[in-house]
Amino acid sequence: DVKVTQSSRYLVKRTGEKVFLECVQDMDHENMFWYRQDPGLGLRLIYFSYDVKMKEKGDIPEGYSVSREKKERFSLILESASTNQTSMYLCASTRRPGNTIYFGEGSWLTVV
Amino acid sequence: GIQVEQSPPDLILQEGANSTLRCNFSDSVNNLQWFHQNPWGQLINLFYIPSGTKQNGRLSATTVATERYSLLYISSSQTTDSGVYFCAVEKSNFGNEKLTFGTGTRLTIIP
Repeated sequence: DVKVTQSSRYLVKRTGEKVFLECVQDMDHENMFWYRQDPGLGLRLIYFSYDVKMKEKGDIPEGYSVSREKKERFSLILESASTNQTSMYLCASTRRPGNTIYFGEGSWLTVV
Repeated sequence: GIQVEQSPPDLILQEGANSTLRCNFSDSVNNLQWFHQNPWGQLINLFYIPSGTKQNGRLSATTVATERYSLLYISSSQTTDSGVYFCAVEKSNFGNEKLTFGTGTRLTIIP
């Protein structure tokens, strides 16, 4: 079975802190994604990566950056957390475009 | 960008009932997937169905690509079917996947 693991399920951070959300997949997938999910808005794409060291902006990249140094790991970085970044963050991966996409369990981030 | 609308937004049913969830999309797509998000937040892929019909147990899905809609059918509902159902589509440009999600249908099954 495909496994997408998000290292932190629940985090509470202070405004202005730097936050790292880590995601690892174990199925050698090329494509990895970070989404945020907010009530009434569904899932919105922050960034995605289709290869090591490659990244592309999604629909809402402002305030975020990403890192993909190894194929299996895709990190989301909040350089200076703000309260409007309180959300659930979902990592996902897929082998290639058009294939089934698999999600991690989500990371609930609260910024106070 | 492509728009995805799901209906109804909320659905409350008695255990054993059948239900139909709808997903409309505004442009041709190469990829359409249905997901179930359980109360703990885990998103599980149900179907990859850019066109045609598929069935998996009590669940089935049909996508009519030419008319830009997809339907998810749940028969003999169980309480474990509760959660939010998302439809997501992709209109691929260069082969990179960029799914657009609808806002979901929240299904509550009452024992």
